[in-house]
Amino acid sequence: DIQMTQSPSSLSASIGDRVTITCRSSQSISSHVNWYQHKPGKAPRLLIYAASTLQGGVPSRFSGSGSGTEFFFTINSLQPDDFASYYCQQTYSSPPWTFGQGTKVEVK
Amino acid sequence: QVELQESGPGLVEPSQTLSLTCSVSGASVRSGSNYWTWIRQPAGKGLEWIGRIYTSGGTNYNPSLSSRVTISVDKSNNRFSLKLTSVTAADTAVYYCAREADKYAYLDFYYYYIDVWGKGTSVTVSS
Repeated sequence: DIQMTQSPSSLSASIGDRVTITCRSSQSISSHVNWYQHKPGKAPRLLIYAASTLQGGVPSRFSGSGSGTEFFFTINSLQPDDFASYYCQQTYSSPPWTFGQGTKVEVK
Repeated sequence: QVELQESGPGLVEPSQTLSLTCSVSGASVRSGSNYWTWIRQPAGKGLEWIGRIYTSGGTNYNPSLSSRVTISVDKSNNRFSLKLTSVTAADTAVYYCAREADKYAYLDFYYYYIDVWGKGTSVTVSS
């Protein structure tokens, strides 16, 4: 299976900060990475797919980049609604798909 | 608007079979190029992809669970189900059903991504 190593596992940030999360894959996966937001008790939400494509309805302060084995997820100007956990996922070639361990974004 | 809702027992005894159902509204499990998917998250741990079923009935399972997992579709009732046999405490988790979409990328490759999730249902394995 392809392993996804996500960092950091948690971070503290303030409203208006720029936040960046990194995922590294155990082998090259081109741009087959998705990013999700998850709040407790709620359904996870797709934010980015294909490494950098913003899902419809997602605010433009969210962005993704990277290819190969290194991927980045950025929130520009953190908003109150953005405090949540974020997960990367690889969907390269064939299943099983795998997720990063998650990053919890907390209030500083 | 597509919505998914998990249902099933919240408590399962060890060695028994965990059975969950996902009811789909706003979309049909019999049409489209979608995969109907199960994912779980043990407390304090990351997300684990369990498997998926295509509208044609074809399935993919996580090899770590494949000997115990069956995912099926009930087209008459627009829902799909998960069965996990011989459960242990390690199967205690929040279970999510989801819809996976695809988009052509290049050559023989597609982008796959989960565009709709259920809210999840907590299952505890304990006697």
